Amino acid sequence: AQSVTQLDSHVSVSEGTPVLLRCNYSSSYSPSLFWYVQHPNKGLQLLLKYTSAATLVKGINGFEAEFKKSETSFHLTKPSAHMSDAAEYFCVVSVGGSQGNLIFGKGTKLSVKP
Amino acid sequence: DAGVTQSPTHLIKTRGQQVTLRCSPKSGHDTVSWYQQALGQGPQFIFQYYEEEERQRGNFPDRFSGHQFPNYSSELNVNALLLGDSALYLCASSGGEPAYEQYFGPGTRLTVT
Repeated sequence: AQSVTQLDSHVSVSEGTPVLLRCNYSSSYSPSLFWYVQHPNKGLQLLLKYTSAATLVKGINGFEAEFKKSETSFHLTKPSAHMSDAAEYFCVVSVGGSQGNLIFGKGTKLSVKP
Repeated sequence: DAGVTQSPTHLIKTRGQQVTLRCSPKSGHDTVSWYQQALGQGPQFIFQYYEEEERQRGNFPDRFSGHQFPNYSSELNVNALLLGDSALYLCASSGGEPAYEQYFGPGTRLTVT
């Protein structure tokens, strides 16, 4: 069965420093993986996606993620945090092909200190 | 181009009552999925509708039912409400390009008292 585990429930960084949000996945076949962001009182927004093409995926707002099959990881990074990055981030795996249902991790709350 | 819209924004119901939530997909999308997000948790898949039929279903009881209309809009119905049904209910649409991307609406906050 497919699942994702987000290793940190809360990450706090200072503005201008790198961001690392960790995610491990479990899948019986080649997965489709996503990172979504949820700002308070707003809907979920897709940051980036991996669908078996390049293992280094670039997303919006300077975020990147690298698919590492040997480590079953899909960590999200950003070189320099901005105050507007403070939000809840979800690592997600898709089940059952291109329009399968999405399985979400429990989320990582990112705080950015000035 | 309007994105995914949901109504109402907030709703308060009493235990045992029934509720209907509505979703209009993004233009060009024909598939609607519903998710439940309890406080402090990630969203959980309820079911997905395509061509007016339930295509996939998550681990939710039969009290949760849905419908998709010919214009691709959808409803989520919950019967015999329990306190534990209090959550943010999210609708996502897909089927445009790329086909696998799901676009989420802002959600309906349901409180059961």
